[in-house]
Amino acid sequence: DVKVTQSSRYLVKRTGEKVFLECVQDMDHENMFWYRQDPGLGLRLIYFSYDVKMKEKGDIPEGYSVSREKKERFSLILESASTNQTSMYLCASSLPTAPKAGPLQETQYFGPGTRLLVL
Amino acid sequence: SQKIEQNSEALNIQEGKTATLTCNYTNYSPAYLQWYRQDPGRGPVFLLLIRENEKEKRKERLKVTFDTTLKQSLFHITASQPADSATYLCALVESNYQLIWGAGTKLIIKP
Repeated sequence: DVKVTQSSRYLVKRTGEKVFLECVQDMDHENMFWYRQDPGLGLRLIYFSYDVKMKEKGDIPEGYSVSREKKERFSLILESASTNQTSMYLCASSLPTAPKAGPLQETQYFGPGTRLLVL
Repeated sequence: SQKIEQNSEALNIQEGKTATLTCNYTNYSPAYLQWYRQDPGRGPVFLLLIRENEKEKRKERLKVTFDTTLKQSLFHITASQPADSATYLCALVESNYQLIWGAGTKLIIKP
């Protein structure tokens, strides 16, 4: 079974702090994603990566950055946390449909999520 | 504008009945559509995928239909059980390989 783990289940940070969220997958998937999920809204894509050191902006990248130094690890960074970044953050991974074609359309495997509260 | 809609109100179903959830979309031409289950405090878990040239897909008690003319997918759970209670998300995939998510419908199966 694919396993996607996230470094924390719950985090409480103060406004202005730098926040690191880490995600690790153990299935050698090329594609990795970071989403945020808020009540009443669908999952919103922040960033994705289809290869090591590659990253692409999603729908809401402002205020976030990412790092993919190793295939199994994808980090989300909040450079200066703000209260409007309080949310559930979900990491996912998947296989590509075609080599290097871009983000995957097949099944996405999600981590358990990190619930971040910014005070 | 482009959007994907799922019923935002919780769906209450009596145990043993069939639960039907709806996913409607506008201004997309999805290559295929996926359904996921999400339990509270957890990440979504993939259930079924249906392609644009498929009318119906089944997996055990689950059935998904895809009507590209109506721009709608229906997700059915037959012989529903309290353990089926969760939020169900649909996600469609366009030909440019972007995954677009609905907000989900909360399903409650009453014993």
